[in-house]
Amino acid sequence: DTAVSQTPKYLVTQMGNDKSIKCEQNLGHDTMYWYKQDSKKFLKIMFSYNNKELIINETVPNRFSPKSPDKAHLNLHINSLELGDSAVYFCASSQAYTAYEQYFGPGTRLTVT
Amino acid sequence: GQNIDQPTEMTATEGAIVQINCTYQTSGFNGLFWYQQHAGEAPTFLSYNVLDGLEEKGRFSSFLSRSKGYSYLLLKELQMKDSASYLCAVRAPISSGSARQLTFGSGTQLTVLP
Repeated sequence: DTAVSQTPKYLVTQMGNDKSIKCEQNLGHDTMYWYKQDSKKFLKIMFSYNNKELIINETVPNRFSPKSPDKAHLNLHINSLELGDSAVYFCASSQAYTAYEQYFGPGTRLTVT
Repeated sequence: GQNIDQPTEMTATEGAIVQINCTYQTSGFNGLFWYQQHAGEAPTFLSYNVLDGLEEKGRFSSFLSRSKGYSYLLLKELQMKDSASYLCAVRAPISSGSARQLTFGSGTQLTVLP
């Protein structure tokens, strides 16, 4: 199936741990995004990469580090997890960095205890 | 900065018509999107308006007035499966380049009753 996929779907971990979320798209898009959706359902952009280059880097703690090994992958590594990091993280992709129609992955529900 | 407002919740009856409003104040504007998000699932694209007027797509229509900073999503012949959160999102420039980003509203939770 052509889609945006993320792993894992659920992630439960303790404060202070380091974790990664992986994202892959097989739509042939050249731009990928990470969004955070908090408990109030606000969907907020965190990062965007176009052809493996960072183009959006919102005000996000530097404990969050995205990595794009190629156009089809954008991973998110989080160091020293905090309670406030608990949220659903969505990966998305679009054809170009002009942010036209974006396709979202299924989300990763991160719970920090 | 970006400010996008939409009602938190709405309720309607199966078969009815419902209009979900969205107002925005943004620095820069390159179009407005509506996304649908079912509970526990990813947002999916519904519509896109960049010029004033109405865009119709089956049971869903979306309207834009750029001068008023206003949009609405109209859902006709409501079905139970339309119960979901509807997210309004504004597309705007990031900087002087051609890159754009989406800023989302908090979503309107629509409940369709039998």
